[in-house]
Amino acid sequence: DAKTTQPNSMESNEEEPVHLPCNHSTISGTDYIHWYRQLPSQGPEYVIHGLTSNVNNRMASLAIAEDRKSSTLILHRATLRDAAVYYCIVTGNQFYFGTGTSLTVIP
Amino acid sequence: NAGVTQTPKFQVLKTGQSMTLQCAQDMNHEYMSWYRQDPGMGLRLIHYSVGAGITDQGEVPNGYNVSRSTTEDFPLRLLSAAPSQTSVYFCASSYGTGTYSPLHFGNGTRLTVT
Repeated sequence: DAKTTQPNSMESNEEEPVHLPCNHSTISGTDYIHWYRQLPSQGPEYVIHGLTSNVNNRMASLAIAEDRKSSTLILHRATLRDAAVYYCIVTGNQFYFGTGTSLTVIP
Repeated sequence: NAGVTQTPKFQVLKTGQSMTLQCAQDMNHEYMSWYRQDPGMGLRLIHYSVGAGITDQGEVPNGYNVSRSTTEDFPLRLLSAAPSQTSVYFCASSYGTGTYSPLHFGNGTRLTVT
């Protein structure tokens, strides 16, 4: 299964866009890219996922590089409720989580 | 629609005791899995199942057993608890047998082994 690399932490000002990067240079052709987030003291929750094309939903957008070796989760307007750990996962046969990016939103 | 239900929410065990963490889902999902999360760490995959009667090991399977007799239930058994198994345990499920569908998580079981 492909390994992902994410920054340990990031900060964003409230109401500004946030771009959370993820590198997955060993991704295979059929591996999906998933993003989850975990709010303090809660279980992880699904954010978005995709295979090759960029994806949008009500929570976020996922931009996937043309070579698929990296992706970016975009939160269009950060709120205080978006402060969480964000996990980027490249799924082969399984969902293996790394340590994620801890996002701090500054009021 | 209950989703993924885990019981109990909290549990304290003494070293050497056994117990079963329960996980049930009502979404007719084929794929189910168990993770543990130690303080300040990410999630590590313990065991998973792609359907009734089929289970396999994840990253950290030692000390844990699972079975999948029905589509709905995926219990995790600790045969002889150790302090190193103190953690928060999450059960998750997804549609289908692959990883093309999102994972749905339960609210977790916080286990302390003394």
